[in-house]
Amino acid sequence: GAGVSQTPSNKVTEKGKYVELRCDPISGHTALYWYRQSLGQGPEFLIYFQGTGAADDSGLPNDRFFAVRPEGSVSTLKIQRTERGDSAVYLCASSLTSGESDEQFFGPGTRLTVL
Amino acid sequence: KQEVTQIPAALSVPEGENLVLNCSFTDSAIYNLQWFRQDPGKGLTSLLLIQSSQREQTSGRLNASLDKSSGRSTLYIAASQPGDSATYLCAVTGYSSASKIIFGSGTRLSIRP
Repeated sequence: GAGVSQTPSNKVTEKGKYVELRCDPISGHTALYWYRQSLGQGPEFLIYFQGTGAADDSGLPNDRFFAVRPEGSVSTLKIQRTERGDSAVYLCASSLTSGESDEQFFGPGTRLTVL
Repeated sequence: KQEVTQIPAALSVPEGENLVLNCSFTDSAIYNLQWFRQDPGKGLTSLLLIQSSQREQTSGRLNASLDKSSGRSTLYIAASQPGDSATYLCAVTGYSSASKIIFGSGTRLSIRP
């Protein structure tokens, strides 16, 4: 079956602009996660959803970052007033549920470049 | 706060060699440990997952060990091939941070033909 998909694959924007990154999880997966990977680093947790609600958003760096999952499937990560330091690969993952035993399956990521 | 460290950051070896990648973590209260592979421009592929009650897992030419008490894991790759060239990430899931995966910075592996 289809894996996790993310669009766009690449996004180039100018400092101060607003961007939206989309994630389509595996069908039937109730948990969805966002991570950010800076160059030469491992992914860092941003937020995870169980169903429609954000169960843990402790990894969001500041209030310019926001994510939604209105129908419990597709999720959108929104970044306002982008800064050059926001440049990174944004990875999305989904799992059947949100328990520790449930394997997370990762999408290919969106590479965001802020000029 | 859990921290995951991987050594070395980069490694280049000739084809055919056996090699070991190292991972250490600061909080031994983990639920599981995973090794991922990441190819340039691609997402993460899970290679091996070791539950906290296990000591090792094997898949083909890959063997991962876990010593929870000392906070260490190794990924052993036998008879390396150029197709093994990628970044290898070690990651842990902790009981105190359910559902978050904490990643190391990775080891960038290059296998020379």
